[in-house]
Amino acid sequence: AQKITQTQPGMFVQEKEAVTLDCTYDTSDPSYGLFWYKQPSSGEMIFLIYQGSYDQQNATEGRYSLNFQKARKSANLVISASQLGDSAMYFCAMRNNYGQNFVFGPGTRLSVLP
Amino acid sequence: GAVVSQHPSRVICKSGTSVKIECRSLDFQATTMFWYRQFPKQSLMLMATSNEGSKATYEQGVEKDKFLINHASLTLSTLTVTSAHPEDSSFYICSASRMNTEAFFGQGTRLTVV
Repeated sequence: AQKITQTQPGMFVQEKEAVTLDCTYDTSDPSYGLFWYKQPSSGEMIFLIYQGSYDQQNATEGRYSLNFQKARKSANLVISASQLGDSAMYFCAMRNNYGQNFVFGPGTRLSVLP
Repeated sequence: GAVVSQHPSRVICKSGTSVKIECRSLDFQATTMFWYRQFPKQSLMLMATSNEGSKATYEQGVEKDKFLINHASLTLSTLTVTSAHPEDSSFYICSASRMNTEAFFGQGTRLTVV
């Protein structure tokens, strides 16, 4: 069975600083994808970044980068130059490449301080 | 990019009535859609997998007679909460994806049963 763990229920970061949100996962599937989503108070789920299990390089999307350490089964999200608008819930998710269902972690609430 | 539209975004209904929530994929055909439920300050919990042209697959503990899912076309899935009660009040969100891509989420529906 697949499982996602996010050990930080809440995080604070100063505006313009970088922050790392932790995510570890467990799966027996050899092929899978890892995702990060942002959920602001409005409730919508906003896709941020994707990492495939066979990707050699860490994924980057603008201010977002994913620190993928396959042997440790971790996929931490790094947000550089935090902005006030980054305050939201962040969910790490996983999907094996044989199905389409996502397994979500419990989430981390990020608060950016001015 | 692909968009999934969910309607309504908010609904308040009386106890004992039924509520229908629609989920549409606007620019791609989705043979499979997913319905999630999210309680306050918690993660998304998969309720069921909606398959076009066949019966939905429900997760353990989800009452299929209470949460009716219909996937009549490749672009529309509906979730009907039948005989709603206050404990059904929650945030419901659908998603759809093409294989091996990120999931696109609807805007979510906040259901309040009074």
